Amino acid sequence: AQSVTQLGSHVSVSEGALVLLRCNYSSSVPPYLFWYVQYPNQGLQLLLKYTTGATLVKGINGFEAEFKKSETSFHLTKPSAHMSDAAEYFCAVITGFQKLVFGTGTRLLVSP
Amino acid sequence: ETGVTQSPTHLIKTRGQQVTLRCSSQSGHNTVSWYQQALGQGPQFIFQYYREEENGRGNFPPRFSGLQFPNYSSELNVNALELDDSALYLCASSGGTSANQETQYFGPGTRLLVL
Repeated sequence: AQSVTQLGSHVSVSEGALVLLRCNYSSSVPPYLFWYVQYPNQGLQLLLKYTTGATLVKGINGFEAEFKKSETSFHLTKPSAHMSDAAEYFCAVITGFQKLVFGTGTRLLVSP
Repeated sequence: ETGVTQSPTHLIKTRGQQVTLRCSSQSGHNTVSWYQQALGQGPQFIFQYYREEENGRGNFPPRFSGLQFPNYSSELNVNALELDDSALYLCASSGGTSANQETQYFGPGTRLLVL
């Protein structure tokens, strides 16, 4: 069965610093992987996705993620954090019948 | 293109009552999935509807039921509410263009509090 593990329930960075949120997946078939962001009291917004093709995927708000099959990872990065990036981030993998399986989430804190 | 909408935004019920939550899918989407997100956790899959038929179900009891209508909007019904049903309920629609069929777009959610 497909699953994802997000390392670190909280990540703190300073404004302007590199953001790195970690996600490892487990899948018996080639995975489709997603990153979603959730701002307080809101739903989930799609940041980016990997299905097939190029392993470096660019998303909205300057985020990108790289699919590494050998490491079963799909880490999310942003070169320079902004205060508005403070939110909860979820990595997810999709199963055969289109069910999303989410990680437990990582809360990103950005300090001035 | 309108996004996914959900109603109501907030709801307070008492234990044992029944509740109906509603979702309008994004234009052009024929699939609706429902998720439960308890406080501090990731969303958990409840079930999915494709063209008015249930197309997969997560580990939720039968008192969680759903419907999808010909216009692809959907309802989630929960009977005999329990305190642990307090959560944010998220609806997601998908099934647009073939190049984007697997991508699920989420609504803002309905926050349910059971007292």
